Amino acid sequence: GAVVSQHPSRVICKSGTSVKIECRSLDFQATTMFWYRQFPKQSLMLMATSNEGSKATYEQGVEKDKFLINHASLTLSTLTVTSAHPEDSSFYICSAKKAGESYEQYFGPGTRLTVT
Amino acid sequence: SQQGEEDPQALSIQEGENATMNCSYKTSINNLQWYRQNSGRGLVHLILIRSNEREKHSGRLRVTLDTSKKSSSLLITASRAADTASYFCATAGRGSNYKLTFGKGTLLTVNP
Repeated sequence: GAVVSQHPSRVICKSGTSVKIECRSLDFQATTMFWYRQFPKQSLMLMATSNEGSKATYEQGVEKDKFLINHASLTLSTLTVTSAHPEDSSFYICSAKKAGESYEQYFGPGTRLTVT
Repeated sequence: SQQGEEDPQALSIQEGENATMNCSYKTSINNLQWYRQNSGRGLVHLILIRSNEREKHSGRLRVTLDTSKKSSSLLITASRAADTASYFCATAGRGSNYKLTFGKGTLLTVNP
């Protein structure tokens, strides 16, 4: 199997606070994890690529100081939205690639973030 | 430029009919993948077709790839109400970064 979990599934926070989202590969090792953002009825936008033990690579236009990514182990990556604002409200989805396997990504169920 | 543009944006069919979704892209690819997403959920990988392949089957799914036209199609045969979901194509460019670029998706509704 290739199961990826995300926690929490839903979170509501107040403007100015920080929120951490966890992405875990439950039954495989993931050398690379990806973080996406999805607006309602739209496609997934890649935010960053997270490699275990190294700094994340951010896509153009994504603020690295606002979206902190840590990939501390082969099964866990975290995304912290710092000083959240209402415009950060979105559906955040992570995916993981198996070590040694090419191209197929296994997606988590997503986290719905609402900033009030 | 937007990779992976699907059409139609929305498709509504009756159970038992076939559903065809198309995807176009702009740059060279290593492979093209199709994913399915139920409303408010994560994505499920359906099928991957490499740039040197022209057609691939998996159960009721048939994917074609035409690299000369930079297009792909996903055919779902004998559709079921449970096939109702959004379908996305995603392209992986040449190189080793494994990044995927997703299209805007097709919302498929299969009416019982």
